[in-house]
Amino acid sequence: QKEVEQDPGPLSVPEGAIVSLNCTYSNSAFQYFMWYRQYSRKGPELLMYTYSSGNKEDGRFTAQVDKSSKYISLFIRDSQPSDSATYLCAILRGDRGSTLGRLYFGRGTQLTVWP
Amino acid sequence: GAVVSQHPSRVICKSGTSVKIECRSLDFQATTMFWYRQFPKQSLMLMATSNEGSKATYEQGVEKDKFLINHASLTLSTLTVTSAHPEDSSFYICSARERHLSSTDTQYFGPGTRLTVL
Repeated sequence: QKEVEQDPGPLSVPEGAIVSLNCTYSNSAFQYFMWYRQYSRKGPELLMYTYSSGNKEDGRFTAQVDKSSKYISLFIRDSQPSDSATYLCAILRGDRGSTLGRLYFGRGTQLTVWP
Repeated sequence: GAVVSQHPSRVICKSGTSVKIECRSLDFQATTMFWYRQFPKQSLMLMATSNEGSKATYEQGVEKDKFLINHASLTLSTLTVTSAHPEDSSFYICSARERHLSSTDTQYFGPGTRLTVL
């Protein structure tokens, strides 16, 4: 079983729709959760970061973590064509004191928002 | 946010040559840098973890003699693909972990380097 599972999509929605992106993970040692956005032929950029169960909101983006179910989500409200990209979930183990700080990535979900 | 640069952004080389890719943290010190490769429509695959002043730690299946990593300073790490072959063609991305973070362990990614080996 992979550490992080993510449906690769593709996902295609009309402008203005609410988008829901999801990942599941297998190891309860994971305690820090990120969402990255990657445009074609570019490096990933950090969108959201959270370490506790519950919701975290930033503008049109909401990150949700349910540690009991090992399930994380990213919601995009009022989606725009500029949101079209690949969204990667990434998870970090709880050993923050480690110098390694390895991230475990999902496969990424390709999102297209059409006008 | 913190900025990480990579150079070159794109390189095309002949089979058998070596290619060096640089990764720099521009406005922060990075004790740890990571090198990934990414195939089309696939996720990032961690190749190695590089700590400043020490040998890199390679992931299982990654040939350390083929992918040479040097992390000589707190702002620069290099990846050298030695004797490159067409199967090494990929998108190589580095990331840097900021030193002395008080609240996050965020990694900042470079823009990537597309390597094509003919």
